[in-house]
Amino acid sequence: DTGVSQNPRHKITKRGQNVTFRCDPISEHNRLYWYRQTLGQGPEFLTYFQNEAQLEKSRLLSDRFSAERPKGSFSTLEIQRTEQGDSAMYLCASSLEGEGAREKLFFGSGTQLSVL
Amino acid sequence: SQQGEEDPQALSIQEGENATMNCSYKTSINNLQWYRQNSGRGLVHLILIRSNEREKHSGRLRVTLDTSKKSSSLLITASRAADTASYFCATPTTSGTYKYIFGTGTRLKVLA
Repeated sequence: DTGVSQNPRHKITKRGQNVTFRCDPISEHNRLYWYRQTLGQGPEFLTYFQNEAQLEKSRLLSDRFSAERPKGSFSTLEIQRTEQGDSAMYLCASSLEGEGAREKLFFGSGTQLSVL
Repeated sequence: SQQGEEDPQALSIQEGENATMNCSYKTSINNLQWYRQNSGRGLVHLILIRSNEREKHSGRLRVTLDTSKKSSSLLITASRAADTASYFCATPTTSGTYKYIFGTGTRLKVLA
């Protein structure tokens, strides 16, 4: 399967713990996005990479959140000192760079985080 | 924050009927995209319409775009139970970095 892969699918943690999620994009895609989605809402933009460069980070993202994409391949999203409000589905998406149809997003199945 | 909103928030129809959902957005766009999300899964791209297009078809899907009203509609004809999902519109920003802003979604339920 050459789609976007996210691990783990589910993560349950206690408040105050650190968690890390991984995203493996489609191999030839140079753009990678992280989104957060809560129940009944649309995905909210968190951050965006073009190759290994993190080009934008949402103001929604506190200093407890950090994302990396070493060598422009897979990406990790770390949340430090988790809070109950961090409970959500974390979605990763990737895309090619270019006009129109090349820019459609391919999503992974997400990581569902529950902070107890 | 969300770029726009879908309307209605929820829609329940019988199999075979048509489903129409609307999306409004706030800023100028180069294109608008529609995505589907099955419960607990990631989103799947359905169709893209460019800002210079007014209507586009793909199978049972028909999308319209009115840039003067900053709105789009998605029509699913002859709906099936398998169409039960949430549907989102997404618009890429046109300045600075290229990120996608999603609406709040329409939850469609097709009853067999």
